[in-house]
Amino acid sequence: AQKITQTQPGMFVQEKEAVTLDCTYDTSDPSYGLFWYKQPSSGEMIFLIYQGSYDQQNATEGRYSLNFQKARKSANLVISASQLGDSAMYFCAMREGYNDYKLSFGAGTTVTVRA
Amino acid sequence: EAGVAQSPRYKIIEKRQSVAFWCNPISGHATLYWYQQILGQGPKLLIQFQNNGVVDDSQLPKDRFSAERLKGVDSTLKIQPAKLEDSAVYLCASSPPAGTGFSEQYFGPGTRLTVT
Repeated sequence: AQKITQTQPGMFVQEKEAVTLDCTYDTSDPSYGLFWYKQPSSGEMIFLIYQGSYDQQNATEGRYSLNFQKARKSANLVISASQLGDSAMYFCAMREGYNDYKLSFGAGTTVTVRA
Repeated sequence: EAGVAQSPRYKIIEKRQSVAFWCNPISGHATLYWYQQILGQGPKLLIQFQNNGVVDDSQLPKDRFSAERLKGVDSTLKIQPAKLEDSAVYLCASSPPAGTGFSEQYFGPGTRLTVT
C-alpha cells in the first residue's frame, strides 16, 4: 500500500494567491514525522517544513504552513502569497518511528505560478 | 557548513556498461541514504547506511547495484551492468544519527544518469 498519496499531479496558481497541496499518509506507527520538500527544475531537494505526530500545533515556516489533520491522516501544505520562484515540484514525505529517519515520498505535485 | 556533495552531476552511458556515483555527506552525519528518482516520480530509497553499516537495502537491486561507505564517511553507488530502466536521478542524502531528535535529511544535487 502507498504510504504517501499526493493526488494532484499539477496545479496552477496566480501570483500572490495561496495554494494548498494535498497529502494523505498511511502508517500504524504512533510516532512519525511528515515533511514537505521543494524540488525546482535544477533538481535539488529543499526542505520546507516538518510536522511531528505528537506536535499539538500546526507547523509554520514563513509563507509555508502545514494543515495537519491527524484523524484524517492528512498533512496538506499551504503556500501563501505565491511567488514566481515557487514554481517547482513539491513532495510530501514521511518517516516512521523514532529511531529511523528514512523517508517514503509521494509522487509529487507540480506547481506553476502565473504572473 | 558545506552541504552534501555528489559527483558526477551528469552521466551518459550505454546499456550493459558500468557506472559509479560518489557522495560526500555533511561532516558528522552518521546516516547516509541513496535514493533513485525516476522522471515524474518521487524518490525511492535504495540503501541506508548508519556509519559504515547497512541499515536497509531491501529495495536495492542487488544483482546489478552495489554500494559501500568507506570508513563511515564517503559512499559510492555502482551499477553493473546498467539497463535502460536505470535512467534516473540518483540522490544522496545525510542526517545525524537516528534517535537524536528531529532532523530532516539534507540532499545533494543529484546525479542524472541516462542509459542509452
